Amino acid sequence: DAGVTQSPTHLIKTRGQQVTLRCSPKSGHDTVSWYQQALGQGPQFIFQYYEEEERQRGNFPDRFSGHQFPNYSSELNVNALLLGDSALYLCASSRDVGVVADTQYFGPGTRLTVL
Amino acid sequence: GESVGLHLPTLSVQEGDNSIINCAYSNSASDYFIWYKQESGKGPQFIIDIRSNMDKRQGQRVTVLLNKTVKHLSLQIAATQPGDSAVYFCAERGIGDYKLSFGAGTTVTVRA
Repeated sequence: DAGVTQSPTHLIKTRGQQVTLRCSPKSGHDTVSWYQQALGQGPQFIFQYYEEEERQRGNFPDRFSGHQFPNYSSELNVNALLLGDSALYLCASSRDVGVVADTQYFGPGTRLTVL
Repeated sequence: GESVGLHLPTLSVQEGDNSIINCAYSNSASDYFIWYKQESGKGPQFIIDIRSNMDKRQGQRVTVLLNKTVKHLSLQIAATQPGDSAVYFCAERGIGDYKLSFGAGTTVTVRA
């Protein structure tokens, strides 16, 4: 049973460029959340996708956008990259069980470096 | 504002001893708590979770304790092994919320 997978593993971009990161959820999961983890800090919530719609968003600018596909996989897009966007981007998948919280399982992350 | 934090940024423990990692949270509306372990260069790995209607939950070599009165969460690791060396994060989720809020983490180093 494959866990959460992310691609690419590493990425180097320059300021002003755009980037797309990809995530495939764990088998049986239908919800995908994205987090940004700066060096030495805990992950910060970007947004969550369920039924192909963004249903909650953290404190991130509109430069951060996403998409969820019918097969539950997801993309994170970041436009007009800034040096401060350099971080580990984590995808977490879970199974929607209504009001009861279900465990979020994380992928290995994509390390983005902005020069 | 709401935050989840850990009492100590680092913890050094002798192999074979028990470890206790502490976490304080400020959101009294939190109803779900979870511990993750993150090794260098990897994503967070689920360890154990607990809901607010419980005080204690045990897993394999790990126990999570929840004290809602003082808004404190702890993770106990029995017979700590070298493979337990990692950064440990507690996270919480509020009622009606979907996001997890993380603290800064505690780095655990196991001495041989």
